[in-house]
Amino acid sequence: KNEVEQSPQNLTAQEGEFITINCSYSVGISALHWLQQHPGGGIVSLFMLSSGKKKHGRLIATINIQEKHSSLHITASHPRDSAVYICAVMRWWETSGSRLTFGEGTQLTVNP
Amino acid sequence: NAGVTQTPKFQVLKTGQSMTLQCAQDMNHNSMYWYRQDPGMGLRLIYYSASEGTTDKGEVPNGYNVSRLNKREFSLRLESAAPSQTSVYFCASSEGSEWTSLAETQYFGPGTRLLVL
Repeated sequence: KNEVEQSPQNLTAQEGEFITINCSYSVGISALHWLQQHPGGGIVSLFMLSSGKKKHGRLIATINIQEKHSSLHITASHPRDSAVYICAVMRWWETSGSRLTFGEGTQLTVNP
Repeated sequence: NAGVTQTPKFQVLKTGQSMTLQCAQDMNHNSMYWYRQDPGMGLRLIYYSASEGTTDKGEVPNGYNVSRLNKREFSLRLESAAPSQTSVYFCASSEGSEWTSLAETQYFGPGTRLLVL
């Protein structure tokens, strides 16, 4: 079983819909990251959080440390949101820099 | 600032050939990483370097060597390429060093697509 599991693997939505992508992990962590991989392959960091909730534009990320679960929400989705969304965790015992363990990603397609 | 740059963007090798993937960052970051991305596997850490002059193995180091040439550059070498090394390779960097354990944002390069025949 992977230490980081994402669901769903694939998600298709209509423009304007509210989208939720889930991430569950089985290890103790010090932080969780959400990343976006564009269709061209580039990867950018969206959020890093260790508790509570963060918001940036139409994106909201939440984390529940006790339940070992995080969600990424996209409000008023748009075709340009189509990408792979990746969850990654930093295990609490990791030292040196910021070593991450990644989920497999969720492929999101938003149709006009 | 260019951020994290990688060369080449795409490479085809024959089994047994060697090559070096180059990575450079201009953000004065201490830590640098090499990942590979395969379908259905997610990103996996090959090697990382928490500071100039130090390197450590990640999850899948076999068949690879690395060199942290200076603070800016971190190269990945395949001494004898195998078809199993066909993948997309990403370099990343973050500010942290071997003396910190802070969770930080990582900045990724554009990736190198490698095909080993």
